[in-house]
Amino acid sequence: DADVTQTPRNRITKTGKRIMLECSQTKGHDRMYWYRQDPGLGLRLIYYSFDVKDINKGEISDGYSVSRQAQAKFSLSLESAIPNQTALYFCATSDLRSGASGSSYNEQFFGPGTRLTVL
Amino acid sequence: LAKTTQPISMDSYEGQEVNITCSHNNIATNDYITWYQQFPSQGPRFIIQGYKTKVTNEVASLFIPADRKSSTLSLPRVSLSDTAVYYCLLDSGNTPLVFGKGTRLSVIA
Repeated sequence: DADVTQTPRNRITKTGKRIMLECSQTKGHDRMYWYRQDPGLGLRLIYYSFDVKDINKGEISDGYSVSRQAQAKFSLSLESAIPNQTALYFCATSDLRSGASGSSYNEQFFGPGTRLTVL
Repeated sequence: LAKTTQPISMDSYEGQEVNITCSHNNIATNDYITWYQQFPSQGPRFIIQGYKTKVTNEVASLFIPADRKSSTLSLPRVSLSDTAVYYCLLDSGNTPLVFGKGTRLSVIA
């Protein structure tokens, strides 16, 4: 989705380096997420934020940190990159919508992904 | 986090209708059933959601029986461009979505 952008799109780095992946959105959504995808493993949640002052760990947060600088920006950092962090990283935003049952659901919008290689 | 179970892969010929079934025995009252589509090297894309009975949009139909313990995504007359991974998720709005491995659909000419 063009309203969710990620930089860089590709990055090759070395073990031990600190890396930051940036995500920006123009959709005006409060909720933002970081996922990683490895071949055959689907998407796994790293961190999520439901508003600017909210940060939550996902299922695989070890080795990662995040910063929610503004509603529109959510950055993911690898403090000391290691080879098994080589993966495709996706940022997503979501809008909470009201459904037919009276409760709510999310519709997530994903960025184009960042392919990270750690040598 | 609620979980779903769906086939790992499916094959279909062009022009056929494809039905992908998802099991969610522990679905909660507030959960919606949501499906996403992912093409290679792209992020997933929302395609349809439903709470009960049948929902149809320009992309697919979603059938949900009364007990809501399963659902079926139906893609009419698939083409090669429908080759993708399809994810079935439960969404209550209050927790982040859990993407499993999805169903890899391969459409053959």
